[in-house]
Amino acid sequence: GIQVEQSPPDLILQEGANSTLRCNFSDSVNNLQWFHQNPWGQLINLFYIPSGTKQNGRLSATTVATERYSLLYISSSQTTDSGVYFCAVSSGGSYIPTFGRGTSLIVHP
Amino acid sequence: DAGVTQSPTHLIKTRGQHVTLRCSPISGHKSVSWYQQVLGQGPQFIFQYYEKEERGRGNFPDRFSARQFPNYSSELNVNALLLGDSALYLCASSPQGQETQYFGPGTRLLVL
Repeated sequence: GIQVEQSPPDLILQEGANSTLRCNFSDSVNNLQWFHQNPWGQLINLFYIPSGTKQNGRLSATTVATERYSLLYISSSQTTDSGVYFCAVSSGGSYIPTFGRGTSLIVHP
Repeated sequence: DAGVTQSPTHLIKTRGQHVTLRCSPISGHKSVSWYQQVLGQGPQFIFQYYEKEERGRGNFPDRFSARQFPNYSSELNVNALLLGDSALYLCASSPQGQETQYFGPGTRLLVL
């Protein structure tokens, strides 16, 4: 099956800093989503982005499908951005997502 | 609109017992998927149902089973529980299973 690698595994920031999270995948994809899992375990959709660029407030994402990676940008980070960020992809005729291991983000005040 | 709901929120069982977890999708969504998330890892796909039919199954033993009801709610059953079944079980819904998935708050299962 498709392999998904996320980097970095851990990230610690001061409030106000910017960051870039990366998701590499091993095959062409028909679906790619970014999620934020808060400390209580709730997974929140951030972006559905199999290709192209999207922005939502302080967050933006870019997927370069031909080069098999996606980037999630967080600008002016806040303590509420803390949690784990997951990339999930599906490929071929399947829409069943495969999740990466996530990037754990801690934002200090 | 109500999001995806799951019950119970927490559960403690002993080895060998069975458990039933429940999920209600967002109104209008016809597809429900189940995931298992162990500590430190991303969610792993268990099942997907669409219109009461199983559309996909992950690499889990036959002790895991699920079904979807006419109102599109779903149950996940796990028999002969093992210590390794301790995890957060997540349910997600989507209109037809091929789009953005919306996750519920999960059920935390502890097997002693």
